[in-house]
Amino acid sequence: QSALTQPASVSGSPGQSITISCTGTSSDVGNYNRVSWFQQHPGKVPKVLIYGDSKRPSGVSNRFSGSKSGNTASLTISGLQAEDEADYYCCSYAGNSVYVFGTGTKVAVL
Amino acid sequence: QVQLVQSGAEVKKPGASVKLSCKASGFTFTTYALHWVRQAPGQRLEWMGWINAGNGNTKYSQTFQDRVTITRDTSATTAYMELSSLRYEDTAVYYCARELTGTLDNWGQGTLVTVSS
Repeated sequence: QSALTQPASVSGSPGQSITISCTGTSSDVGNYNRVSWFQQHPGKVPKVLIYGDSKRPSGVSNRFSGSKSGNTASLTISGLQAEDEADYYCCSYAGNSVYVFGTGTKVAVL
Repeated sequence: QVQLVQSGAEVKKPGASVKLSCKASGFTFTTYALHWVRQAPGQRLEWMGWINAGNGNTKYSQTFQDRVTITRDTSATTAYMELSSLRYEDTAVYYCARELTGTLDNWGQGTLVTVSS
C-alpha cells in the first residue's frame, strides 16, 4: 500500500486560507468516505481534525474543513493563525481493513 | 476520561524483538479497535495494524506483515504490539490509538524504541 501524496510544505500569512491536498487512488481515497486529517505539533501526539472526509469532532475549530473530489481529499485552514504551524497528515481507509497515511505536509505561518 | 498509557522507552539490539503495551481506561475496552502507528525521527506517520479488542481479530500492514504481532488482554484492558527482527530503521516512536467512527480519536503518549548495537 503506497502512502497518500501530500505537498511537502504549504505556507500562508496570518488570516489567509490555505489548502492541503491528499491524493490517493480509486482503491482508497476515491472509494470510501473515510479520510481523516491529523495535526501534529513538534514532539506532540497527533490530533484528529477531520474524519469521514468532512466531519469535524467536537472541540475542533470550525476554521478547519475537509472536502473530497475523486481521488483527492483536501484540508482547508481558514483565518490562518500562528498556532496552526504544524505538520498535517491525511489518512484513508484502503479496504480489506487496511489504512494508509499521507506523506505529511509542514504548514508554515509567515 | 479516555486514556491510553503506553509502556516506557526501549533500547534493543538489531535482530531482537520488542513488545510494547498500551493500557486503556475510561471506555469499554472490548467495544473498540486499537491501532498501532509509528513515526521514525523526522518522518511521516506509518500505519502498522490494528486489533479488534472484542474478538481479537487483527489486520497488519503489508510492510510489517511478517514481523508484527498485535494482541490484547481484555482482563487487563491492554493491547500489545510485538515487532521482531529489529533493524536500525525501526528506531521510531510507536503510538497506539483508539478507533472511533473510522478515525483515531485518542492516542497514547508514544513509546520511543531505539535500535542500536
